[in-house]
Amino acid sequence: EVQLVESGGGLVQPGGSLRLSCAASGFTVSSNYMSWVRQAPGKGLEWVSVIYSGGSTYYADSVKGRFTISRHNSKNTLYLQMNSLRAEDTAVYYCALIVVGAFDIWGQGTMVTVSS
Amino acid sequence: EIVLTQSPGTLSLSPGERATLSCRASQSVSSSYLAWYQQKPGQAPRLLIYGASSRATGIPDRFSGSGSGTDFTLTISRLEPEDFAVYYCQQYGSSPEYTFGQGTKLEIK
Repeated sequence: EVQLVESGGGLVQPGGSLRLSCAASGFTVSSNYMSWVRQAPGKGLEWVSVIYSGGSTYYADSVKGRFTISRHNSKNTLYLQMNSLRAEDTAVYYCALIVVGAFDIWGQGTMVTVSS
Repeated sequence: EIVLTQSPGTLSLSPGERATLSCRASQSVSSSYLAWYQQKPGQAPRLLIYGASSRATGIPDRFSGSGSGTDFTLTISRLEPEDFAVYYCQQYGSSPEYTFGQGTKLEIK
């Protein structure tokens, strides 16, 4: 069964850092396009970042220079390193498997709260 | 950047009725890269439609997608109680960019 399980969310102060993990099963992370999508409380969906099978990475303007997407092939895990966090980064963060430009499989999400 | 505008913001219908949700793009979108999602409270989104009109695995045939260019539609032919949720459209473009609409809430009348 194809599954994604996120972890690593929590409460962090403004300016702090956090690393999210997304453990995949049923498929190989490094052979696919993988992404992070977030949803602020009561708001819509916002794409954050993508890593392609070839290793290229891309970011939304709102997180560029602060967030880094990466993967660990032997652990079959996707990561999102988040630095210089701001209050507006507060959201549920989902990892997702992309197929033909669509977010096909989603994890259950992990909550990140940036507050003092 | 392509902006997706969904309408209406809220749609109030009864079970058994037909629902028509609209997604309009600020520029032409490749039909191959237009998708629709359903999200229920406290749950992750679920892919319904990809490529504008192809149903994802396990999606009932009462869900259908259509459209091209800048105008796309999600139709639910006969609403079931479990269909009341928020629906998002999404496009993938060059750069790359992945853009979501602001969502349509489908509520029970």
